[in-house]
Amino acid sequence: SQTIHQWPATLVQPVGSPLSLECTVEGTSNPNLYWYRQAAGRGLQLLFYSVGIGQISSEVPQNLSASRPQDRQFILSSKKLLLSDSGFYLCAWNRRDSSSGNTIYFGEGSWLTVV
Amino acid sequence: TQLLEQSPQFLSIQEGENLTVYCNSSSVFSSLQWYRQEPGEGPVLLVTVVTGGEVKKLKRLTFQFGDARKDSSLHITAAQPGDTGLYLCAANTGGFKTIFGAGTRLFVKA
Repeated sequence: SQTIHQWPATLVQPVGSPLSLECTVEGTSNPNLYWYRQAAGRGLQLLFYSVGIGQISSEVPQNLSASRPQDRQFILSSKKLLLSDSGFYLCAWNRRDSSSGNTIYFGEGSWLTVV
Repeated sequence: TQLLEQSPQFLSIQEGENLTVYCNSSSVFSSLQWYRQEPGEGPVLLVTVVTGGEVKKLKRLTFQFGDARKDSSLHITAAQPGDTGLYLCAANTGGFKTIFGAGTRLFVKA
């Protein structure tokens, strides 16, 4: 079976510090990978998606970047965090084909508080 | 811009009551998903519907996809406190991107 894991689960970072959130998927190959941000108790905003190694598409201009150094690894980064970067970040994946109805599966989430 | 509108935004009911949550759009989707999310955790998939008019049941939850594949509903029978959470609908237009509604926050009082 497939699993997705992201870390760290919680972090508190000062303004101006760097950020690195990591996500890995097991049990599948060539997945589409996603980073979402969720405002408190609300819907999800797509930040980045990737259809293959080194291929990153950005949905919104922001202070963040993403990288996919390996097939099942997706990293969310920032060189200098802003207060507005605080939020709940979710990594997700789905299959390259549409056999599952393009269903997205999520990691556990990472709470980021910028102080 | 494709949008998914969920209603109501917030619902507080007594244990044992029935409820329906709606997810509407002006766009046609190839598939639609419902997720349930608890605080501090990632959304967990409840169901995926792909055929217009499709009805799926998951214990006390009934999901329906509109005939035109533009809308969906989630009906919960005899709600229990364990049903409390944020219910999100999501839809895919056939490409790589999935869009999400803003969610319905359900609170079931014992």
